[in-house]
Amino acid sequence: SYVLTQPPSVSVAPGKTARITCGGNNIGSKSVHWYQQKPGQAPVLVIYYDSDRPSGIPERFSGSNSGNTATLTISRVEAGDEADYYCQVWDSSSDHPEVFGGGTKLTVL
Amino acid sequence: EVQLVESGGVVVQPGGSLRLSCAASGFTFDDYAMHWVRQAPGKGLEWVSLISWDGGSTYYADSVKGRFTISRDNSKNSLYLQMNSLRAEDTALYYCAKDNFIAVAGTRWFDPWGQGTLVTVSS
Repeated sequence: SYVLTQPPSVSVAPGKTARITCGGNNIGSKSVHWYQQKPGQAPVLVIYYDSDRPSGIPERFSGSNSGNTATLTISRVEAGDEADYYCQVWDSSSDHPEVFGGGTKLTVL
Repeated sequence: EVQLVESGGVVVQPGGSLRLSCAASGFTFDDYAMHWVRQAPGKGLEWVSLISWDGGSTYYADSVKGRFTISRDNSKNSLYLQMNSLRAEDTALYYCAKDNFIAVAGTRWFDPWGQGTLVTVSS
């Protein structure tokens, strides 16, 4: 089955840019979605279809996807961005279409 | 505003059964497929099951196939998950989530999510 690999943790200083990667074999040929989960809360969609942003999500959040890596970029990081972030793909052509990455803990220093 | 409210989570013994419910509001429920996704304590997200808008098609993760059954009642705007032969590894927070789908890309994503209901399988 398809595997998505995320770094367990990423640390960034306030005001800097955080980049969270999601690796997968030829992931650039798939659509990637990203979720933010703060402690004790349900996941919230922050990026869908590689780079689209739902209404209400700040422009500081952006996404890209090419080759074997998809990336969630958070610009001008704030303390409130500290959370777990998960990437996700759904491949309708697969017997196991749904895959989540293992999650990345973003720490704001 | 779209709202999803799960209920039914309790402590249950191994081998036991449980039915979870998800009450939906704020959108035309029978226009959308729905999902269950779970999260074991301190762990990541795991997709569990998908049901089509009319209940005619259902899909399951291998880990629950043959033990869990997803269903819906569109007249009540409600989603259900019947869980049988429960195991310790089924202990998790169970979320319902609304489906979002782009057919041409063959992709789906989950938005929004409910707050979850906790299932604990323990003797």
